[in-house]
Amino acid sequence: EAEVAQSPRYKITEKSQAVAFWCDPISGHATLYWYRQILGQGPELLVQFQDESVVDDSQLPKDRFSAERLKGVDSTLKIQPAELGDSAMYLCASSSLTSGGSDTQYFGPGTRLTVL
Amino acid sequence: GENVEQHPSTLSVQEGDSAVIKCTYSDSASNYFPWYKQELGKRPQLIIDIRSNVGEKKDQRIAVTLNKTAKHFSLHITETQPEDSAVYFCAATRTYKYIFGTGTRLKVLA
Repeated sequence: EAEVAQSPRYKITEKSQAVAFWCDPISGHATLYWYRQILGQGPELLVQFQDESVVDDSQLPKDRFSAERLKGVDSTLKIQPAELGDSAMYLCASSSLTSGGSDTQYFGPGTRLTVL
Repeated sequence: GENVEQHPSTLSVQEGDSAVIKCTYSDSASNYFPWYKQELGKRPQLIIDIRSNVGEKKDQRIAVTLNKTAKHFSLHITETQPEDSAVYFCAATRTYKYIFGTGTRLKVLA
């Protein structure tokens, strides 16, 4: 069964450093999401892509976060500079609108970021 | 803005008992309601979902009910087992836009 891939699985960095996360969605899925999940809370959307276009980045802290999906397939999320409060799990998900109208999201394993 | 309230935040049940988790949504345009199970350190995985034109759906020991008028939906797990212990998230969605609940930590006591 196809799965969303993410790397790295774990990242430890010092504040003010730059970090980057990579996501490869399920083949054929046009919609890709990046979420941040703080321990004990639900996922919060950071950015949503439809193919290579951003359709929602209203919750993305644009002064330090950036995301791209240049060819409409895999995606990179970057933080520069990292801050202590960025420590969290970063989840990628992808979906494809089905003929039945549902757009089930499938999640990757996540990248756990620790900022020291 | 749109939000999804989920209750309870923690739930402990004895093995074999039933567990019920409830969610209330605010966006009346929501038309798809998935439930995810997330075990510690693992990815959220879809366990069941329901569309707005259906009132109830069942899959073995789990079921979901939807009340569109009241804008709430519930997850029911019967005959709970230790492997059901996890965090469960509900979501209310309308074409590509997901709003997640805050999660329920379910503990099944052996």
